[in-house]
Amino acid sequence: QQPVQSPQAVILREGEDAVINCSSSKALYSVHWYRQKHGEAPVFLMILLKGGEQKGHEKISASFNEKKQQSSLYLTASQLSYSGTYFCGTDTGTASKLTFGTGTRLQVTL
Amino acid sequence: SQTIHQWPATLVQPVGSPLSLECTVEGTSNPNLYWYRQAAGRGLQLLFYSVGIGQISSEVPQNLSASRPQDRQFILSSKKLLLSDSGFYLCAWSRGLQAKNIQYFGAGTRLSVL
Repeated sequence: QQPVQSPQAVILREGEDAVINCSSSKALYSVHWYRQKHGEAPVFLMILLKGGEQKGHEKISASFNEKKQQSSLYLTASQLSYSGTYFCGTDTGTASKLTFGTGTRLQVTL
Repeated sequence: SQTIHQWPATLVQPVGSPLSLECTVEGTSNPNLYWYRQAAGRGLQLLFYSVGIGQISSEVPQNLSASRPQDRQFILSSKKLLLSDSGFYLCAWSRGLQAKNIQYFGAGTRLSVL
């Protein structure tokens, strides 16, 4: 079953913050985050392993609550370059594949 | 370094025609390979994945098939395209569980079936 992301879409002004959530109904080994710009391929941002790990990538960070099977992506002081669609990918650790979420479209404006 | 190639970049095909999309990976051996389809404005749907030559796992029943004739080559095929086959097809590779299944995507093929 596909992970559910929220919100579906968000519009920010440059410099504002945003949070994107990813929720799964299955026990997870890890959560991956990818960003896809319009017409391009998804690009890997970061991975969160079970254990409540929190990681960061410049002004983008994420957390993983393995008890709730939820992950959140935090975008701080957003930049125009952050625009795109963000996908979480969940890994149950039982097969060599990811199941991607429904996606969150982020638009950063001036 | 590793690179992944997909071709063609765009394709317009009539309904009922055959399809062959090719994906190759360079700079690594025995990668896991994946085919995804993305409908306009939608998410990533896993179609097939392969953990080795001749090993194909199908995720969604449809008129598409996949083959892996060589270690770093993955081919997506159809004998007769349907209108619903239109979309953005993405190939990806990973080093598998030992590398936490992190996937790297090719540039994609935009297929329009008319």
